[in-house]
Amino acid sequence: DAGITQSPRHKVTETGTPVTLRCHQTENHRYMYWYRQDPGHGLRLIHYSYGVKDTDKGEVSDGYSVSRSKTEDFLLTLESATSSQTSVYFCAISVKQVVNEQYFGPGTRLTVT
Amino acid sequence: EDQVTQSPEALRLQEGESSSLNCSYTVSGLRGLFWYRQDPGKGPEFLFTLYSAGEEKEKERLKATLTKKESFLHITAPKPEDSATYLCAVQGSSSNTGKLIFGQGTTLQVKP
Repeated sequence: DAGITQSPRHKVTETGTPVTLRCHQTENHRYMYWYRQDPGHGLRLIHYSYGVKDTDKGEVSDGYSVSRSKTEDFLLTLESATSSQTSVYFCAISVKQVVNEQYFGPGTRLTVT
Repeated sequence: EDQVTQSPEALRLQEGESSSLNCSYTVSGLRGLFWYRQDPGKGPEFLFTLYSAGEEKEKERLKATLTKKESFLHITAPKPEDSATYLCAVQGSSSNTGKLIFGQGTTLQVKP
């Protein structure tokens, strides 16, 4: 157990509304990641963070923004949710710097209607 | 471009029937190959890290092996509780920030 929690665990929202997902870790790991998982696509990296206020884009970052104001929290925001963002979102942390063993949270199932 | 392909997509086994899952990869300098297990409705659970060709790691009924082009996850005498989706991921040497490239997974069903 890497001490990762995600909230909310389930959310249904309407198209056009803003949504923020939270990832919280208890062990002060430097690297944190947001993925989405969809059938036929596997896990795809949205954004990642390598420290407080240090973030960068992954392969599917359009429509998403992130913030990290504290080591323990990494927020993912959908500024204006679309149906294509219906997915399961996973947060991960990295416990090693050079070889990146990642440990995942329990996930948030988001449905955009 | 780094790429990971897993096969088969799905595998059904009888309890006790050993088999292997395949993970083929192309990467510019392998830093690590990772295996995860994912149960329905849960996040991926870390199983193994393999660093270089020839390396093997074991955990209970699972053994992971690595060559320069692929990795195998061997499942010996599986039990129904081994049913899950198994994910493979690689990290290339160009990834200083630890980006992983995931395969789409193999869904294993073990029938009693």
